[in-house]
Amino acid sequence: EAAVTQSPRNKVAVTGGKVTLSCNQTNNHNNMYWYRQDTGHGLRLIHYSYGAGSTEKGDIPDGYKASRPSQENFSLILELATPSQTSVYFCASGRDSHEQYFGPGTRLTVL
Amino acid sequence: AQSVTQPDARVTVSEGASLQLRCKYSYSGTPYLFWYVQYPRQGLQLLLKYYSGDPVVQGVNGFEAEFIKSNSSFHLRKASVHWSDSAVYFCAVSANSNNRIFFGDGTQLVVKP
Repeated sequence: EAAVTQSPRNKVAVTGGKVTLSCNQTNNHNNMYWYRQDTGHGLRLIHYSYGAGSTEKGDIPDGYKASRPSQENFSLILELATPSQTSVYFCASGRDSHEQYFGPGTRLTVL
Repeated sequence: AQSVTQPDARVTVSEGASLQLRCKYSYSGTPYLFWYVQYPRQGLQLLLKYYSGDPVVQGVNGFEAEFIKSNSSFHLRKASVHWSDSAVYFCAVSANSNNRIFFGDGTQLVVKP
């Protein structure tokens, strides 16, 4: 069954530390996305990718990097984590402008 | 650019009652429209989508939505809600010219027993 998986599901990090969130999809979709979800803000797009080797800035890219080493994998990297990056992060895959399929989310707490 | 407005942050209805969740979008062309549902501590799941054709689209679990171009709306409806429908519902819009989906802020639906 096609799916989007994320790891870890929960993460506690320290301020200034490096955090890597991973996403894997078996949908064979070209496009992948990273969002964060905070109360009162809905879903906000951080980075996205059109395919292996490509990354694009979304609406709130500051403090985040992304990496797309293959069709299946898309990572979100916080080089110097801050408490303001405490949030729930969702990865999604999709093709063209059609619907996106979401992973279960990663709950990140930065202390 | 596209955008979506969901004017109701929270809607409370009694079990068995009918439901309408409102959504208005902003886009000058013909949009692709979606409704997603998010249950607690889960990712978003696609409920239904509209690309073209019949403006009334059916989704899972008895949900439907109607695309009204003249009103730029895509309201979600259900004839009789169940307690298990309690969740957050997101309306979203996309254009044929890009690869992004723009989400509304969501409406939390609470179904009272």
